[in-house]
Amino acid sequence: KAGVTQTPRYLIKTRGQQVTLSCSPISGHRSVSWYQQTPGQGLQFLFEYFSETQRNKGNFPGRFSGRQFSNSRSEMNVSTLELGDSALYLCASSLEAYAGLDTQYFGPGTRLTVL
Amino acid sequence: GDSVTQMEGPVTLSEEAFLTINCTYTATGYPSLFWYVQYPGEGLQLLLKATKADDKGSNKGFEATYRKETTSFHLEKGSVQVSDSAVYFCALSDSTDKLIFGTGTRLQVFP
Repeated sequence: KAGVTQTPRYLIKTRGQQVTLSCSPISGHRSVSWYQQTPGQGLQFLFEYFSETQRNKGNFPGRFSGRQFSNSRSEMNVSTLELGDSALYLCASSLEAYAGLDTQYFGPGTRLTVL
Repeated sequence: GDSVTQMEGPVTLSEEAFLTINCTYTATGYPSLFWYVQYPGEGLQLLLKATKADDKGSNKGFEATYRKETTSFHLEKGSVQVSDSAVYFCALSDSTDKLIFGTGTRLQVFP
């Protein structure tokens, strides 16, 4: 069974631009979560989608948004990019929506660099 | 809010040495606890988990026991290999069911 895939793997943008990252979960998984990983802040939860609905949200500004499609694929969008948005963005999928009981499988991440 | 604290790295060991990576947590309620591992250039992989007090999670020779009285979930392995070199993250699922991660501990194992 194929794992979680994320595209693109690497991205370079300039300040003020917007970016869209894509995540395809493991087949049959309905929950997709997004995380930001930086050397300074570590791993921080962005949001989680389950059956096309945002079920949980972290403490990030409104510039960060996401959505999930009927096939469970998810996208996240960052508008008006700032230098501090440079990070590894990780997507994780699980069968159901409960992180405490259900194993989350992570993708390899998208490395975003903002110049 | 809920949080996870783990020891600073890097932890540098010789092959076959004993490994301990300390992890303590602060949480309301009764969180599930996890250890994830991140190999260079890859995403995170679940290493082991425990869902209630006194549970022991184990996988690939790694073990961790959920200690409610000390709010700890220390990771141990009796004999590390060079292939265990990676970054290890302790995490909990908080009261809103989000995963909260520690800052990660880099392990370097030399032959």
